[in-house]
Amino acid sequence: KAGVTQTPRYLIKTRGQQVTLSCSPISGHRSVSWYQQTPGQGLQFLFEYFSETQRNKGNFPGRFSGRQFSNSRSEMNVSTLELGDSALYLCASFLDRTQPDTQYFGPGTRLTVL
Amino acid sequence: GDSVTQMEGPVTLSEEAFLTINCTYTATGYPSLFWYVQYPGEGLQLLLKATKADDKGSNKGFEATYRKETTSFHLEKGSVQVSDSAVYFCALGSYNTDKLIFGTGTRLQVFP
Repeated sequence: KAGVTQTPRYLIKTRGQQVTLSCSPISGHRSVSWYQQTPGQGLQFLFEYFSETQRNKGNFPGRFSGRQFSNSRSEMNVSTLELGDSALYLCASFLDRTQPDTQYFGPGTRLTVL
Repeated sequence: GDSVTQMEGPVTLSEEAFLTINCTYTATGYPSLFWYVQYPGEGLQLLLKATKADDKGSNKGFEATYRKETTSFHLEKGSVQVSDSAVYFCALGSYNTDKLIFGTGTRLQVFP
């Protein structure tokens, strides 16, 4: 079974631009979570989607948004990029919420903001 | 709120040495506990997990036991290899939310 895929793997943007990252979960998984990883803050939860609905959101400004499609693929968008948004963005998929389930991570998208 | 505390790194060991990376947690309810590993330039890989007290997770020679009485989930390996060099993250998942709460990560460096 194919793992979680994320595209693109690397992105370079300038301040003020916007960016869209994509995540395709493992086949059959309906939940997708997004995390930001930086050297200073570590791994921080951004948001989580299930069946096209955002179920949980972390403590990030409104410039960070996401959505999920009917095929469970998810995108996250960051508008008006700031230097501090440079990070590795990780997507994870899991099967269900009925128990604290194992989340499987993709390779990440490394975003650099200049 | 829920939290995870991991020992500071880096941990530097010679090949075949014994490894312990400490992890303690604070949580309400009955969380599941995970260890993830991140190799350079890659995402996170699940190493092992435990879903209830006294469970022992194991994989690739690594082990961790869910200790409710000490709120700990320490990672151990009897004989490390150079290929084990990576960053290890302890994480907690609870019923109340689907987000994982991660520790700060511990870098392991193994030298021949």
